[in-house]
Amino acid sequence: KQEVTQIPAALSVPEGENLVLNCSFTDSAIYNLQWFRQDPGKGLTSLLLIQSSQREQTSGRLNASLDKSSGRSTLYIAASQPGDSATYLCAVFYNTDKLIFGTGTRLQVFP
Amino acid sequence: NAGVTQTPKFQVLKTGQSMTLQCAQDMNHNSMYWYRQDPGMGLRLIYYSASEGTTDKGEVPNGYNVSRLNKREFSLRLESAAPSQTSVYFCASKVAGGPYEQYFGPGTRLTVT
Repeated sequence: KQEVTQIPAALSVPEGENLVLNCSFTDSAIYNLQWFRQDPGKGLTSLLLIQSSQREQTSGRLNASLDKSSGRSTLYIAASQPGDSATYLCAVFYNTDKLIFGTGTRLQVFP
Repeated sequence: NAGVTQTPKFQVLKTGQSMTLQCAQDMNHNSMYWYRQDPGMGLRLIYYSASEGTTDKGEVPNGYNVSRLNKREFSLRLESAAPSQTSVYFCASKVAGGPYEQYFGPGTRLTVT
């Protein structure tokens, strides 16, 4: 069964820390991987999309890496800020339409 | 651009009632999706429409029907609501095929009593 796991489920850090969120998937035959941010009571905002042929993608303070052979992706957030507080979701495409989501990491960054 | 819009934002139904959740996108995307999000379960795909005129079942289609009304609109219908369908429902869209991102609407919070 194709499953996506995110660890830890929750994380609380002081402002300014660099942090890493982890995503693992059981089936390495992925098409793409997408990271999202979800604020409480809101929809999902796309952060980064990594194609299966890529090793990483960067956007501002965010860097996402992909290692298909080990079934892992990481989202690195540099110099965290209170505004980064949200739930971060990892989702794996197994074809152009089928997206399997992890259950997310709830991040709190305190001043 | 409004992106992906959903109506209503909130809804309370009694068991056995029916309702339709509406979704529209103004990004000229061919593909549209309906998900449900439940605590501890992540988001799960209910139905999707890869292009206008086609629909396919996702992971949890039982109890739902969909209609791709045109390229912009994709509706989700609950014919006889059950408490197990209490959830937050999200619509999404993307460019058809290819390595493209999915874009999500703000969600509909549905409670079935």
